[in-house]
Amino acid sequence: EDQVTQSPEALRLQEGESSSLNCSYTVSGLRGLFWYRQDPGKGPEFLFTLYSAGEEKEKERLKATLTKKESFLHITAPKPEDSATYLCAVMGSNYQLIWGAGTKLIIKP
Amino acid sequence: NAGVMQNPRHLVRRRGQEARLRCSPMKGHSHVYWYRQLPEEGLKFMVYLQKENIIDESGMPKERFSAEFPKEGPSILRIQQVVRGDSAAYFCASSPSSQETQYFGPGTRLLVL
Repeated sequence: EDQVTQSPEALRLQEGESSSLNCSYTVSGLRGLFWYRQDPGKGPEFLFTLYSAGEEKEKERLKATLTKKESFLHITAPKPEDSATYLCAVMGSNYQLIWGAGTKLIIKP
Repeated sequence: NAGVMQNPRHLVRRRGQEARLRCSPMKGHSHVYWYRQLPEEGLKFMVYLQKENIIDESGMPKERFSAEFPKEGPSILRIQQVVRGDSAAYFCASSPSSQETQYFGPGTRLLVL
C-alpha cells in the first residue's frame, strides 16, 4: 500500500536555527515527490517537485533532497515568515497523490 | 495569470441541504482534482476529472457526492443531503497533465449546522 509519513509532527525553532523535515514514503512506481507549504486558512502552495533519487532543488532558504525511501526539506537560517505547515505528497503509478499529515513549523523571533 | 479559483470561500448549510462548490482551473489546465481536508489532518483525494470526463473517483463517497467538469464553465463538486460529518475544507487543484504539478485554489470551507 502506498504510504507517506512525515516527521516530526511539529517543530519549534529559533530564528536562524537550521533544521530538516523528513518525508518517508513507500510507493509503487514513483512518478514524483512534491513539497507544499500551507498557511492557516489557505490552500497548499507549491514548493518543489523531485523525480528521481539524488535530485536536489533549492529556493531561498529551502532545499529539498530525494532518496529511494525518503525526502528531506532543509531549512537554513529560517525566519518567522517561514512558519507554516509543510506537506509532502508522492505520485505513484496511478497518478494519484498520496499525502503525508504534514509538519507544523514554528519559527520564533 | 490568475491561479485556481474557488467559490464560495465559506459555505454554511443545514443538515439535509445541498452544497455546490465551484472550481475554475488555471488557464491552460484541463485536469482538475478535488480534495477534502479535516482539521489537523492531511489532504484526502476525492476525484480527478478532465473536461467532460471523470477519470478517477475512487476517493469519493458513493452516495450523496458527485462531481462534474463540463465543456464550458467551472468544475462542480456537489454534496446532497449534507450531514455534520461533511464539514471540512474542500480544495480544488489543477494541472496541465496528469503527471505534472498540481496547483491549488484557496479552498471552500463548508460548515454543516
